[in-house]
Parts: sequence; structure tokens; C-alpha cells
Amino acid sequence: TQLLEQSPQFLSIQEGENLTVYCNSSSVFSSLQWYRQEPGEGPVLLVTVVTGGEVKKLKRLTFQFGDARKDSSLHITAAQPGDTGLYLCAGAGYSNYQLIWGAGTKLIIKP
Amino acid sequence: GAGVSQSPSNKVTEKGKDVELRCDPISGHTALYWYRQSLGQGLEFLIYFQGNSAPDKSGLPSDRFSAERTGGSVSTLTIQRTQQEDSAVYLCASSPSRQGLGEQYFGPGTRLTVT
Repeated sequence: TQLLEQSPQFLSIQEGENLTVYCNSSSVFSSLQWYRQEPGEGPVLLVTVVTGGEVKKLKRLTFQFGDARKDSSLHITAAQPGDTGLYLCAGAGYSNYQLIWGAGTKLIIKP
Repeated sequence: GAGVSQSPSNKVTEKGKDVELRCDPISGHTALYWYRQSLGQGLEFLIYFQGNSAPDKSGLPSDRFSAERTGGSVSTLTIQRTQQEDSAVYLCASSPSRQGLGEQYFGPGTRLTVT
């Protein structure tokens, strides 16, 4: 059974601080996606990383896919209150249409 | 263009009643997923439709849950004889690809409360 462990589960920090969220697995994924979900809404795709070692940047957010395609991280620089939300990672298998979902990181950025 | 829509947005029902939740996927998307999400938690896979193929029902928690997808478009998730533990947000997502990246586009969800 493929599992994707996400940490931390909860993070509350002050505006301007940096933070990193991790997703780890013993399984290899063909790609990994990061979503953000705000209260009362469905998750919205932020980025997909495909190549081992790949780094993608989305403004103050930096996403990295591990060299072995088993793990990924999301780093936020100078967090803003607008970054508040539930961050979810999801891994895609090579031959399976299902995504394997992490349990999510609830992020609160205090002004 | 229009995104994934779900209705109703909120549903309160009494224990033992049946409920139907509707999902309208993005036009042209062949794949459709239903998930369940408890408060602030990750997503629990329920069922997957791909084109005209038989759905993958492996995530349905009991035989009280069923889903249909008519004409390869609109889908309905039905919960019979609802129980309090069914209370959750039910999310629908559609995807344009059969395999590959599997990026999913979500609706806003239906919040189900069973009293």
C-alpha cells in the first residue's frame, strides 16, 4: 500500500517567517502535486513536479521533488496571511489513475 | 471556462434518510472522482469514473454508498440510510487525462450533516 506522510500536520507562525512542509514516502511516484485548500472550497492545484530533483517556484513558494521521486517539500519565504490554508500533497503512480494523498498541513499565518 | 460545480452546497438530513449529491464536471474531462473529507483532514477516495469504463468503487465505505455517471458527464453520489458518521464534506473532481499527470480540478464540495 502506498502512503504519503505529510508533516507538520499543523503550523502557526507570524507573518514574515519562513516555513517548510514535507511529504515523504517509501514509494516512487511518477509525479507529485501540491494543492492548497481554503475553508469552504475545494483544493486548488498549485504545482506538479515530474522530474527527480526538480525545483519549481511560484512567487514566494518553492517546490522540490526528491532525486529518488519519493519525497517533496514546499518552502514558503516571508509568509503572508494570504498563505493561510490547508496544503495537500498528492503522488501519482506510474500505472494508476489514483492519486495518493497526504493528510494535509494546516497553515495559519498571523499578521 | 466553467469549473466543477456541486449541489447542494450544504445538506442537513436526519439519520436514516437517503441523500443525493450532484457533480457537474468540467466539459470534456473524461475522469471524475468523488472524495470525502472530514473537518480539516486529507481526502478519502470514494469512487472513480473514466469514460465509459466500469467505475473503480474500491473506496466506497459501505454498500449504502453508490454513484452513477450519466452520459459520461454529470455524476450523482447516493448515500442510503445515512448515519452520523457520514457527516463530512463530499468533494468531486474531474481530470482531463486518462493517465499521466492526473491533475484534478475540484468543485467546492457539499457539506453533509446527519443529525
